[in-house]
Amino acid sequence: DAGITQSPRYKITETGRQVTLMCHQTWSHSYMFWYRQDLGHGLRLIYYSAAADITDKGEVPDGYVVSRSKTENFPLTLESATRSQTSVYFCASSGLAGGYQETQYFGPGTRLLVL
Amino acid sequence: AQSVTQLDSHVSVSEGTPVLLRCNYSSSYSPSLFWYVQHPNKGLQLLLKYTSAATLVKGINGFEAEFKKSETSFHLTKPSAHMSDAAEYFCVVSGMGYSSASKIIFGSGTRLSIRP
Repeated sequence: DAGITQSPRYKITETGRQVTLMCHQTWSHSYMFWYRQDLGHGLRLIYYSAAADITDKGEVPDGYVVSRSKTENFPLTLESATRSQTSVYFCASSGLAGGYQETQYFGPGTRLLVL
Repeated sequence: AQSVTQLDSHVSVSEGTPVLLRCNYSSSYSPSLFWYVQHPNKGLQLLLKYTSAATLVKGINGFEAEFKKSETSFHLTKPSAHMSDAAEYFCVVSGMGYSSASKIIFGSGTRLSIRP
């Protein structure tokens, strides 16, 4: 029972490089989310997806791209990393129709450092 | 737009004493409200949620919260703190009728410390 996993757990990259953070869930949940966590800001929603091939922007989408070709995977790509994207990134999922109004299950997070 | 304010960035209590973590929200629609807990270097875990049923919501590990519409508050309480309660706590509001950018909003968090 793996639940929701994220990879890598830690990543160091350089400004301008492309980085992809992976998220995989085994529950067949419809909704998946990407958040970033920064000191003093709590968690902020980057993108979410209601189902395969359906994605929408959250509060802070600039500089990020997502895709969802399969229900269980929701990768987040930083097309050209910037230092301001140094953060801890959390993936989450929730089931059934309630989506963001339902309980979300969070992955362990990815710590990203952009030099 | 929706918003949520956690009134204390840090709360420190002695083991065995009551815990109160305060949360105020703003929403034009009937919101769903959540409390999540995050232990160090871990993901978030749901403590409890309110979705327009009973106003007093019981959660895991002895926590509960009361939805007070007149005060737009959703404070988290526990009668007796335990050392294992030391963590970061997030109040969350979500609701229909908002743009995708503000469908779900997290508070900035309250760090709970427990003194032996």
